[in-house]
Amino acid sequence: DTAVSQTPKYLVTQMGNDKSIKCEQNLGHDTMYWYKQDSKKFLKIMFSYNNKELIINETVPNRFSPKSPDKAHLNLHINSLELGDSAVYFCASSQGTRYNEQFFGPGTRLTVL
Amino acid sequence: AQRVTQPEKLLSVFKGAPVELKCNYSYSGSPELFWYVQYSRQRLQLLLRHISRESIKGFTADLNKGETSFHLKKPFAQEEDSAMYYCALSENNTDKLIFGTGTRLQVFP
Repeated sequence: DTAVSQTPKYLVTQMGNDKSIKCEQNLGHDTMYWYKQDSKKFLKIMFSYNNKELIINETVPNRFSPKSPDKAHLNLHINSLELGDSAVYFCASSQGTRYNEQFFGPGTRLTVL
Repeated sequence: AQRVTQPEKLLSVFKGAPVELKCNYSYSGSPELFWYVQYSRQRLQLLLRHISRESIKGFTADLNKGETSFHLKKPFAQEEDSAMYYCALSENNTDKLIFGTGTRLQVFP
């Protein structure tokens, strides 16, 4: 009965490769997010989608492309991976008002070699 | 620009001691503030939110608009409180969360 799930949990890849991270929520929420946590544990929003529509795009390189096939899924595709992309990526969902709790996935640790 | 500042990267206390994790914010609108916590090997989760004015696991936080602060307090720390704590601000016209840099709380026995 996991609320927000992400796959894979760990991802190790070479520079220049393309990879995807998947996120699914079963909470019936209409808003989903991607956050990046760097090596210093700083969490920063990357994207948010509301009902499959892009709402927030935080000056992220266009090598990062989110895709939301339906409101329960928000995938993150990364092209031409760079060393600086190494981080933990968290997916989250909420019912979409600023007062509501965001529910986070377990995170995907991406290591680019 | 909107900003959330947590000045302490690490806070170490002994069990039973009072704890205060500091959070200051910079925001031009009416702030909505949250504390999120990440226990070891667990996902990030909400601890408490300003709008609910609640006490969770003995923690409270009061919004002080004059000092633009939302410090998290607990009178008697427990070992199970050891975790990473993030203060976060929700913007007025989006539901984007702006996080502070986090404070690691260590409670020693």
